[in-house]
Amino acid sequence: QVQLQESGPGLVKPSQTLSLTCTVSGGSISSGSYYWSWIRQPAGKGLEWIGRIYTSGSTNYNPSLKSRVTISVDTSKNQFSLKLSSVTAADTAVYYCARELIGLGGDYVDYWGQGTLVTVSS
Amino acid sequence: QSVLTQPPSASGTPGQRVTISCSGSSSNIGSNTVNWYQQLPGTAPKLLIYSNNQRPSGVPDRFSGSKSGTSASLAISGLQSEDEADYYCAAWDDSLNGPWVFGGGTKLTVL
Repeated sequence: QVQLQESGPGLVKPSQTLSLTCTVSGGSISSGSYYWSWIRQPAGKGLEWIGRIYTSGSTNYNPSLKSRVTISVDTSKNQFSLKLSSVTAADTAVYYCARELIGLGGDYVDYWGQGTLVTVSS
Repeated sequence: QSVLTQPPSASGTPGQRVTISCSGSSSNIGSNTVNWYQQLPGTAPKLLIYSNNQRPSGVPDRFSGSKSGTSASLAISGLQSEDEADYYCAAWDDSLNGPWVFGGGTKLTVL
């Protein structure tokens, strides 16, 4: 059973860079069958996809965040990471890391981390 | 405002059948499969339906999904109290090579 666990600071100052890491256990991040994604959810609101990375390092980002987002992967540690620069209060949210299965009939996120709350405040 | 449109709320009594709709466009639902997620209070979303109408193992067959054109639906039959949760639809959007787009979520209340 694969498990994903987010880690990183819970409080970030405005204009600084938010940095989170997702550690994957129970499976290899190097498997060619998956993308590794970040998704966020402001309190009381819906889900917003941030971006994803393939084991090769290839990335896709949400166009609305693309200028501020970097997702990277460290296969030696079975981890992938998110950096979001120039944060504002609007970036306050629960951040989830997730596994996206590349399916013949369509892709889908099949496993989620428990989520970590990141608050942007001075 | 979400790219996919869902009703903000739905309700039913135990044993009833309820449906939740999800409306999109030709660039997302119209050309890609739809997935549904269930989010219980205070927890991460859980995959409920994938590829329009497929259930992961462990998901009761009370849950079913369908898609037609640029719309999709989630049906829950034999409603139970533990089904009270938020439900989200999702689809890949082909414009600009992504992103994944979600519905705004539907809060299901079991009366």
